[in-house]
Amino acid sequence: AQTVTQSQPEMSVQEAETVTLSCTYDTSESDYYLFWYKQPPSRQMILVIRQEAYKQQNATENRFSVNFQKAAKSFSLKISDSQLGDAAMYFCAYRSAYAEDSNSGYALNFGKGTSLLVTP
Amino acid sequence: NAGVMQNPRHLVRRRGQEARLRCSPMKGHSHVYWYRQLPEEGLKFMVYLQKENIIDESGMPKERFSAEFPKEGPSILRIQQVVRGDSAAYFCASSPREVSEQYFGPGTRLTVT
Repeated sequence: AQTVTQSQPEMSVQEAETVTLSCTYDTSESDYYLFWYKQPPSRQMILVIRQEAYKQQNATENRFSVNFQKAAKSFSLKISDSQLGDAAMYFCAYRSAYAEDSNSGYALNFGKGTSLLVTP
Repeated sequence: NAGVMQNPRHLVRRRGQEARLRCSPMKGHSHVYWYRQLPEEGLKFMVYLQKENIIDESGMPKERFSAEFPKEGPSILRIQQVVRGDSAAYFCASSPREVSEQYFGPGTRLTVT
């Protein structure tokens, strides 16, 4: 199965500042999807942003943007103008585009997460 | 449009009992996924179902665990003869199509005593 690695167990950012969370993945597939999910203390998994591998343009959702480097198999999340409500666990996830041809099937493969602390 | 519903939110079982977790997908979604999250870990895929069919159960333990998604009613994840190692948060997600975003429910936290 594809491996997703988040090398930062914890990160801290001051309110209104910018923070970047790292994610790398291992795959031999050419077409796939990448996601960032947020899990606040309520434990609800919330989709933050999605990127299709065939798209060169980096996805953006308001204060959240990604830096997708396909050759390097890197997918980092940038949070601008950080707010107290951004404090949460952030999970990077990978999914094949063609499940029938993939040994990971239809599954989302998650990294172990990065805990983001936002300080006033 | 109501989100993915899971119940119960918290479930306590003694070793050897059965745990039954329910998931109602979002309206219009016919694809359901179950994931398990152990403490300090990311979510691990267990099983993928469409109505009345198990499509991929490669992440589900071979014994004691089963899942169904009947024509009518919620998807059920059943764990028989629970052990302490089954204690975890179990998340259900749904999607309208195979290749689309998965929307997660709030999870069921199972504690085995």
